[in-house]
Amino acid sequence: GAVVSQHPSWVICKSGTSVKIECRSLDFQATTMFWYRQFPKQSLMLMATSNEGSKATYEQGVEKDKFLINHASLTLSTLTVTSAHPEDSSFYICSAPGHRPLENYGYTFGSGTRLTVV
Amino acid sequence: GEDVEQSLFLSVREGDSSVINCTYTDSSSTYLYWYKQEPGAGLQLLTYIFSNMDMKQDQRLTVLLNKKDKHLSLRIADTQTGDSAIYFCAESKSGGYQKVTFGTGTKLQVIP
Repeated sequence: GAVVSQHPSWVICKSGTSVKIECRSLDFQATTMFWYRQFPKQSLMLMATSNEGSKATYEQGVEKDKFLINHASLTLSTLTVTSAHPEDSSFYICSAPGHRPLENYGYTFGSGTRLTVV
Repeated sequence: GEDVEQSLFLSVREGDSSVINCTYTDSSSTYLYWYKQEPGAGLQLLTYIFSNMDMKQDQRLTVLLNKKDKHLSLRIADTQTGDSAIYFCAESKSGGYQKVTFGTGTKLQVIP
């Protein structure tokens, strides 16, 4: 089935530095990638939608300059948290629309990245 | 806008059935999903149902949809300790790759 590989699984960084999270579609082409953020014991909140070869679409309240998204190829989308601060600490998950046939329809999720900013 | 709500916590004994409930507000939702999230992991699609269906059964899982009341439920028969996780219901619309809106998640605890 469709697999999205997300790296790193966890990262600790110092305040003020930038962190890049990668999501790769391993056996299919992901023209669209959704980026979610999940706070402890809370649901997933959509941050932005990236489309290969075009600018990402950000949800209301998400800072474009803070969370840089690049989707330069059909198999790779990246999220860069720039000038990270402790309040950016969270669980970040990417998701790509799954493949037909219908029985496999759904959205394939990466395994998530636990970001801790100290 | 879309709003999806669930109860936060459910505790059941091993071998019993679990029923996780979800309500949503957007009547134009086309696809309704149930996802499972184990600690520190991404989400695993368990099952989905189209809005024109009332019920779907897949092995131990039964999904019931009451479109009039915008109520979705997931029944897990013969619940096992390995079913302990957070379960999210979610909805999306038709037409291309639409974003998925998630519920608040229900933490299922299975007592041996």
